[in-house]
Amino acid sequence: AQSVTQLGSHVSVSEGALVLLRCNYSSSVPPYLFWYVQYPNQGLQLLLKYTSAATLVKGINGFEAEFKKSETSFHLTKPSAHMSDAAEYFCAVSRNSGNTPLVFGKGTRLSVIA
Amino acid sequence: DSGVTQTPKHLITATGQRVTLRCSPRSGDLSVYWYQQSLDQGLQFLIQYYNGEERAKGNILERFSAQQFPDLHSELNLSSLELGDSALYFCASSPPGGGYTIYFGEGSWLTVV
Repeated sequence: AQSVTQLGSHVSVSEGALVLLRCNYSSSVPPYLFWYVQYPNQGLQLLLKYTSAATLVKGINGFEAEFKKSETSFHLTKPSAHMSDAAEYFCAVSRNSGNTPLVFGKGTRLSVIA
Repeated sequence: DSGVTQTPKHLITATGQRVTLRCSPRSGDLSVYWYQQSLDQGLQFLIQYYNGEERAKGNILERFSAQQFPDLHSELNLSSLELGDSALYFCASSPPGGGYTIYFGEGSWLTVV
């Protein structure tokens, strides 16, 4: 079975500060890992994905994540937070094959303080 | 715009009733997924169809059913509705051949009163 754990249901940062959202995964097979963002009253938008190529993955809006097998982690970072980054962020895992369902973490709400 | 279309966007209905949520996947995508998002349960995978056939089943209640039609659109049927079924229901689709990206619609808000 696969699962992800997101540490911290709510993270608050100042505008311009580093954003770090934590995600640890559990998988009996090599995983594919994803970060999605959900803005208020909207659907889920893919930020980035790891599919066993480069371990450092760059996504949209300046976000990136690093796959660390030894730590079973896939933390999301952004060097400088912007007010528009305030949203709910979800880490997800799937089996390493196409067309398989994603298993999501419980989400982390990011607040950005001016 | 992800290209995944869901209708209706909002729905209010009474307990015991039945509703149908509709989803049109992105052009060319053969897989359709249904997810339920609620405050207490988070994002829960319900069911997946691939080219008309059920591919995977998650935490879908027996009162719920889904199908994917030959034109690849999908419907999620929710019956004998309870207050606890109030949630945001997402449809998502993915391309064939292992594209690995799942695209989500904007969801259907269901309120059971």
